[in-house]
Amino acid sequence: AAGVIQSPRHLIKEKRETATLKCYPIPRHDTVYWYQQGPGQDPQFLISFYEKMQSDKGSIPDRFSAQQFSDYHSELNMSSLELGDSALYFCASSLDAPGERISNTFGSGTRLTVV
Amino acid sequence: AQSVTQLGSHVSVSEGALVLLRCNYSSSVPPYLFWYVQYPNQGLQLLLKYTSAATLVKGINGFEAEFKKSETSFHLTKPSAHMSDAAEYFCAVSLNQGGKLIFGQGTELSVKP
Repeated sequence: AAGVIQSPRHLIKEKRETATLKCYPIPRHDTVYWYQQGPGQDPQFLISFYEKMQSDKGSIPDRFSAQQFSDYHSELNMSSLELGDSALYFCASSLDAPGERISNTFGSGTRLTVV
Repeated sequence: AQSVTQLGSHVSVSEGALVLLRCNYSSSVPPYLFWYVQYPNQGLQLLLKYTSAATLVKGINGFEAEFKKSETSFHLTKPSAHMSDAAEYFCAVSLNQGGKLIFGQGTELSVKP
């Protein structure tokens, strides 16, 4: 079965640089979520999209932005990177439709290291 | 508002012993509850979920959890631990089955031979 695909798996950036993370949800899933997991921390919700529209916003810094495209893939753009942005970034997709509900299914994550 | 508290950041059991990982939730509406497992440097895998259909939920790898409204708990158990169960376990709550997840702090399970 198709899973959530994230790229790249690993990314090393310098302070003040920009990073773009990509997520390809499971086909037919209507919602995409982004989570950030710092070292030894629990995942924290950043932002979500339902049918290509932003549906909810969590603790996402103003330096970050995200969007979902017509093919349903999503990108998380991170600018002016700081050391504290080093974390594992997860994308998850879900389906919440009448008669069919599928919980958050996670990708393998992108490990971002800011040096 | 919803929140989850996992009691014990680290639990150690012997192989073959009972596994009990504790999770208490707070929610102003009937919650959807989840347990996820995370192996080192990997993503989060769904173990099981409570969606109000049955209070005792069976998941993968022999794990199960019981929803107790009176105790606002959703503890995860496994009768006999296996070495391969060593991982980080996260309890999470959501407003609906496909909604954003609010995670607990996680419990690291170690299994001794």
